[in-house]
Amino acid sequence: EPEVTQTPSHQVTQMGQEVILRCVPISNHLYFYWYRQILGQKVEFLVSFYNNEISEKSEIFDDQFSVERPDGSNFTLKIRSTKLEDSAMYFCASSDGPVGGANVLTFGAGSRLTVL
Amino acid sequence: AQKITQTQPGMFVQEKEAVTLDCTYDTSDQSYGLFWYKQPSSGEMIFLIYQGSYDEQNATEGRYSLNFQKARKSANLVISASQLGDSAMYFCAMREGTDWGYQKVTFGTGTKLQVIP
Repeated sequence: EPEVTQTPSHQVTQMGQEVILRCVPISNHLYFYWYRQILGQKVEFLVSFYNNEISEKSEIFDDQFSVERPDGSNFTLKIRSTKLEDSAMYFCASSDGPVGGANVLTFGAGSRLTVL
Repeated sequence: AQKITQTQPGMFVQEKEAVTLDCTYDTSDQSYGLFWYKQPSSGEMIFLIYQGSYDEQNATEGRYSLNFQKARKSANLVISASQLGDSAMYFCAMREGTDWGYQKVTFGTGTKLQVIP
């Protein structure tokens, strides 16, 4: 079964440091997303990416965040200068087409970020 | 206003019994989609079931069914014959909009289901 893979599974960093979270979406998928989940809270949309550009972003996704698809397979989330409140589980997801019907968000297992 | 409301933070159900997890939503779009995801203690998000706003029949996937009441804006998940492995967090979610590339999916706060042997 095709899956979305994320690395690292857990990263601990110091406040102010840059972090890059990596994702390999399902190979034939065209839409890519990042979500985050602060411990015990709901899953929050960060950004969607299609056709090599951001198609939608939330108010959480400020100038400290950026996304990139540097090659044909990886999709990365960069946090330039981490804050304590960035500590969360970050989920990458992908979909074959516009979400709905047969096209659903397939999530990776998540990358847990701990900012000290 | 909350787009997705899940009013049950926690639920218990006896093994082999059916359980209904509530979800109400708020949107002014005519075209939207509703999802349920399961998050076990291991943390991954597992897709369970999808209902489109124009679908006339309630969606079903194995032991999962979605009780879609459009006028009430509710999309409750029904799990029949509960199993111990169903113990998890369950999230209701909604996709709004029809624009190509508009792909934001909003999640509710979740319901923690515990299945009792």
